[in-house]
Amino acid sequence: GQQLNQSPQSMFIQEGEDVSMNCTSSSIFNTWLWYKQEPGEGPVLLIALYKAGELTSNGRLTAQFGITRKDSFLNISASIPSDVGIYFCAGQLRGSGNTGKLIFGQGTTLQVKP
Amino acid sequence: GAGVSQSPRYKVAKRGQDVALRCDPISGHVSLFWYQQALGQGPEFLTYFQNEAQLDKSGLPSDRFFAERPEGSVSTLKIQRTQQEDSAVYLCASSFGQGGSPLHFGNGTRLTVT
Repeated sequence: GQQLNQSPQSMFIQEGEDVSMNCTSSSIFNTWLWYKQEPGEGPVLLIALYKAGELTSNGRLTAQFGITRKDSFLNISASIPSDVGIYFCAGQLRGSGNTGKLIFGQGTTLQVKP
Repeated sequence: GAGVSQSPRYKVAKRGQDVALRCDPISGHVSLFWYQQALGQGPEFLTYFQNEAQLDKSGLPSDRFFAERPEGSVSTLKIQRTQQEDSAVYLCASSFGQGGSPLHFGNGTRLTVT
């Protein structure tokens, strides 16, 4: 089963607002990634984080790898209608053999009102 | 093509039928993963290949599930004697190397068992 707790489960915001979502776990992760999934498509990588404390931006998106290696957050600034979708955190557990095998959170559904 | 290709996009099977789902990874990608995504959930790991070797099949839910990648490129996920609980989207992902290389997902096959 899932070992990542992702919150919030869903968000309905006004265009232009900032958004924040996070993932926590009781386990330590070597890698954190954030994906976006739109209906009928596979997840698309947004940001990858490889070091504890790392803060990385990709346009209006910013994500951080928690210093304890048990959590990560994703912020989206100045949201626009095309940000609509389901956002997933995913991580590679420490000790999972460095295969790239990922565990996913339950997802945050984002809706943006124009 | 440039991305991971999966076929068919949709599959409807009667309970008890066998199905085969195909994945064409990105050319040159060593690692290949299969994930199962139930409605409203995050993807869950099924199995992992490094080239033609199946190194991890710990996520396969039962012995009715079988995956192969005989030549280290195309992979097939086979489900025998399908059950209603097998209904889900089956996602294939590939990556260039081992751990640390981001996964690139296909658009999945939506399996419905009636």
